[in-house]
Amino acid sequence: DSGVTQTPKHLITATGQRVTLRCSPRSGDLSVYWYQQSLDQGLQFLIQYYNGEERAKGNILERFSAQQFPDLHSELNLSSLELGDSALYFCASSRWTSGSTDTQYFGPGTRLTVL
Amino acid sequence: DQQVKQNSPSLSVQEGRISILNCDYTNSMFDYFLWYKKYPAEGPTFLISISSIKDKNEDGRFTVFLNKSAKHLSLHIVPSQPGDSAVYFCAALGRYSGGGADGLTFGKGTHLIIQP
Repeated sequence: DSGVTQTPKHLITATGQRVTLRCSPRSGDLSVYWYQQSLDQGLQFLIQYYNGEERAKGNILERFSAQQFPDLHSELNLSSLELGDSALYFCASSRWTSGSTDTQYFGPGTRLTVL
Repeated sequence: DQQVKQNSPSLSVQEGRISILNCDYTNSMFDYFLWYKKYPAEGPTFLISISSIKDKNEDGRFTVFLNKSAKHLSLHIVPSQPGDSAVYFCAALGRYSGGGADGLTFGKGTHLIIQP
């Protein structure tokens, strides 16, 4: 158990809908990262938040957004969903944004299915 | 453009022998590398890491070797055990927009199968 929790575990929705995925980092961790794992693209970095502020952006679509709250939990919002958004979404956390040697610990993921 | 490549989708090794998983990268800005292990229906689990200032790091049965000139790293598992059967991901610390440096760039993974 990494100490990172994600809810829900599974989510099934329809095209055009909007969903919110939730992540609670390990106790004491200030950074939260979101990753998407799809069959053809593998694990891809989406976005990072550090202590409530956006820190780095990867391959995140404009239809997706995230935020980190004062209690450090984070939410990933996916809107205007398309079939291709079906994937596993992982959250990871780390102590701080050292930029070099801070290990990221992953949650169990949320499996999103868009029908 | 895949910046981190794991060219072997799968690898089968006998229990007790050495497992060697390989990874190549193209971005010379990467300065920190990690290996994660993943079981089905679980998130990736951190195994071992190495900084670009080193060429070897060891932790129990796991050793990671880094060859910067060849932009190549490898994970050695000795001896291999049945519980090592999983997908192994190589990851590198990437540089992204906004000055952030903390998003990991992953390879597509190698499925390691340990045979009894």
